[in-house]
Amino acid sequence: DADVTQTPRNRITKTGKRIMLECSQTKGHDRMYWYRQDPGLGLRLIYYSFDVKDINKGEISDGYSVSRQAQAKFSLSLESAIPNQTALYFCATSDSASAKNIQYFGAGTRLSVL
Amino acid sequence: SQQGEEDPQALSIQEGENATMNCSYKTSINNLQWYRQNSGRGLVHLILIRSNEREKHSGRLRVTLDTSKKSSSLLITASRAADTASYFCATGGGGGGYQKVTFGIGTKLQVIP
Repeated sequence: DADVTQTPRNRITKTGKRIMLECSQTKGHDRMYWYRQDPGLGLRLIYYSFDVKDINKGEISDGYSVSRQAQAKFSLSLESAIPNQTALYFCATSDSASAKNIQYFGAGTRLSVL
Repeated sequence: SQQGEEDPQALSIQEGENATMNCSYKTSINNLQWYRQNSGRGLVHLILIRSNEREKHSGRLRVTLDTSKKSSSLLITASRAADTASYFCATGGGGGGYQKVTFGIGTKLQVIP
């Protein structure tokens, strides 16, 4: 089983719809992240969380919200989806006990907003 | 804005040849990491080099770091078709507190059998 699991893997939705992307991990890491990947732009950080009560905005948080339901679960919501949120979304984890901050990624969710 | 910038953006080589990818960054760092991404999949960590290190090896991978030039290179020796992927450098920020990891836009490597 994957250590970092994202659901769904693919999603097509319409403009204005609310959707949620979910991430769960079995690595026991305290830190979790949401990134989006667009061609030619690399990965950009949307939100990150150091623990259940510590959530921080990344560089492109507008139009997104997150919830850290438990140490192992971190969900990303698009309250009212728009076409320019079409992208590949990744959840990642890291362990604060390691000073290296190596990120462990899920397989990604491909989102299309029509 | 992106911290790391990889060069070239795309690279095509024959199997057995060496592949070299470069990364430049702008601000001080604590470490620099390289990741691989197979098409449409999640990134996988390959190797990390600390700011006080100049060279590091892992199997067929060799990473160098020149902090005076704010640049790093990733060398894959004796490439294989399975090395076909995108490669990203990621910089871990300097200073205290949370060490934010910032990813570049990647180099797309194609290894032709």
